[in-house]
Amino acid sequence: QSALTQPASVSGSPGQSITISCTGTSSDVGGYNLVSWYQQHPGKAPKLIIYEVTKRPSGVSDRFSASKSGNTASLTISGLQADDEADYYCSSYAGSSSVLFGGGTTLTV
Amino acid sequence: QVQMVQSETEVKKPGSSVKVSCKASGDTITSYTITWVRQAPGQGLEWMGRIIPILGTPNTAQKFQGRVTITADKSTSTAYLDLSSLTSEDTAVYYCEGWSGASSIWGQGTMVIVS
Repeated sequence: QSALTQPASVSGSPGQSITISCTGTSSDVGGYNLVSWYQQHPGKAPKLIIYEVTKRPSGVSDRFSASKSGNTASLTISGLQADDEADYYCSSYAGSSSVLFGGGTTLTV
Repeated sequence: QVQMVQSETEVKKPGSSVKVSCKASGDTITSYTITWVRQAPGQGLEWMGRIIPILGTPNTAQKFQGRVTITADKSTSTAYLDLSSLTSEDTAVYYCEGWSGASSIWGQGTMVIVS
């Protein structure tokens, strides 16, 4: 099983929107509606921001939204803020009780 | 407020084993699915396995099968990750995550140094 594919970096200006992609296969991203997204600031533990493709945990800003089409999931952050600058990781259930992570994307605001 | 409190930094010799703990503070661990994830220095996240304490049966990533044991002690609300035959490539921060169906609580991370 290979890691999911994410762009290494993306950037945007305050107030703009950006989208991060996460590409897998029909055996993981495309096969299940079990994609999650995590935000990680330097030196901190990851924070779940999206689960089950589109759902936001309580307390997560509605500036974070996500979707999936085929084998590619996407995370969109609207109204970029300085505090959004972080690493973002996708993950997907991959069958046989296993989970794959993407390689991570560094967002620069 | 519920927290997942992990054990402190460990320094281990190659070939030895390490046991990292994750205690649910403020709730019972049976309310959660506990997942273990690690992050090598400067690298991304790597899924290691998980356990549903109320059921007791763990799932382990194929890469770690035979080398990782994931357990949970309901009486102390603590989950454990046991990693054997350590090499320098196991140097990483090890995180536990508690998932309750709509909320995710991460531990602070445990640094394991193999040297």
